[in-house]
Amino acid sequence: DGGITQSPKYLFRKEGQNVTLSCEQNLNHDAMYWYRQDPGQGLRLIYYSQIVNDFQKGDIAEGYSVSREKKESFPLTVTSAQKNPTAFYLCASSLGTSGSSSYNEQFFGPGTRLTVL
Amino acid sequence: EDQVTQSPEALRLQEGESSSLNCSYTVSGLRGLFWYRQDPGKGPEFLFTLYSAGEEKEKERLKATLTKKESFLHITAPKPEDSATYLCAVQATSGNTPLVFGKGTRLSVIA
Repeated sequence: DGGITQSPKYLFRKEGQNVTLSCEQNLNHDAMYWYRQDPGQGLRLIYYSQIVNDFQKGDIAEGYSVSREKKESFPLTVTSAQKNPTAFYLCASSLGTSGSSSYNEQFFGPGTRLTVL
Repeated sequence: EDQVTQSPEALRLQEGESSSLNCSYTVSGLRGLFWYRQDPGKGPEFLFTLYSAGEEKEKERLKATLTKKESFLHITAPKPEDSATYLCAVQATSGNTPLVFGKGTRLSVIA
């Protein structure tokens, strides 16, 4: 089955600790994305990557870091600099970010819920 | 700046009571408008892409339409299993821009 997996489903972080959220896709998509979702806020873009070894900041990148060493994987690290990290984190992928609209249809993983203790 | 506004924030319907959700958008040039369904605690599920004004798409009880300023998601004779949050997103034609999402409409269908 093709799809996007995220792990873990639930994650607890202590103050001052860095944590890494995993995102893997086997859809052969070039582009991958990380969003944060808070109640009443909708989806806010953290980082996105259009191709391996390249990524761009989204609207709320401060306190987060990413890497894109493989096409299939786009891990997100929530650093201690992120002051309010408790949220639902969603990873998505698409064929690309340009061209026809179908190329840009994003498909989402099941999400990781991060809680700061 | 590209913007998406969804209304209402929440909608409560009786089973079988048809209604529409609204997605108003401001974008320099529209490459595509996307509708998603999200169940609590889960990732959004892709529903439709609309490309140009006048286009319509249907899936079971859902029908999405598009004008130059807004899109409607019509729900005909809803069932309790249609209860979810419905998200709208747009992508501009300028550059390689990611999607811009609205805050969603939370739909509850009561039996």
